[in-house]
Amino acid sequence: EADIYQTPRYLVIGTGKKITLECSQTMGHDKMYWYQQDPGMELHLIHYSYGVNSTEKGDLSSESTVSRIRTEHFPLTLESARPSHTSQYLCASSEPQGALYGYTFGSGTRLTVV
Amino acid sequence: GENVEQHPSTLSVQEGDSAVIKCTYSDSASNYFPWYKQELGKRPQLIIDIRSNVGEKKDQRIAVTLNKTAKHFSLHITETQPEDSAVYFCAASNPGGTSYGKLTFGQGTILTVHP
Repeated sequence: EADIYQTPRYLVIGTGKKITLECSQTMGHDKMYWYQQDPGMELHLIHYSYGVNSTEKGDLSSESTVSRIRTEHFPLTLESARPSHTSQYLCASSEPQGALYGYTFGSGTRLTVV
Repeated sequence: GENVEQHPSTLSVQEGDSAVIKCTYSDSASNYFPWYKQELGKRPQLIIDIRSNVGEKKDQRIAVTLNKTAKHFSLHITETQPEDSAVYFCAASNPGGTSYGKLTFGQGTILTVHP
């Protein structure tokens, strides 16, 4: 089934560890996004990509980095995790015509850094 | 850039009542306004959207209205049911310019429907 998949769903990791959150979509979408969702609900855009080899920083400053080597894959990496990185991370993708067709979100990764 | 304000932040209603959530946006060039529902522990899902050439759109118990002059749009849920309890997000986008269709989300509204 065409969808967007995130792994892992839950991750508990120690301070200083390097982590990669995976996001893959099978819908052939060009545009992909990473959002950080805090306990107060708000969705904060941290990275986005309009296609292969295109990545941009979002509205919320983040110490994470992203890459887009393949259309279907948009991983997010934290080189050295800290407790302040504890949050839910949501990946999304949209049609080539952009947000006129809305986003499809993944199920999210809930990250806890201890 | 675009700024979207959403009110109220929490809304509590009795089953069968109507619920209304309002959003305002700042960029007059925005022309696409979707609404997302996020149930507890689940992903946000698109429930309805409206484009700037339409003033109102309905889908069963939910409707969205758009006032381009005033730059605000609203979600209306009639005959609410407990399964409507969730967080609702509005959003706006402008396909042109530097935003290139990127959605700007409101702050979210926690809707609770009491049986």
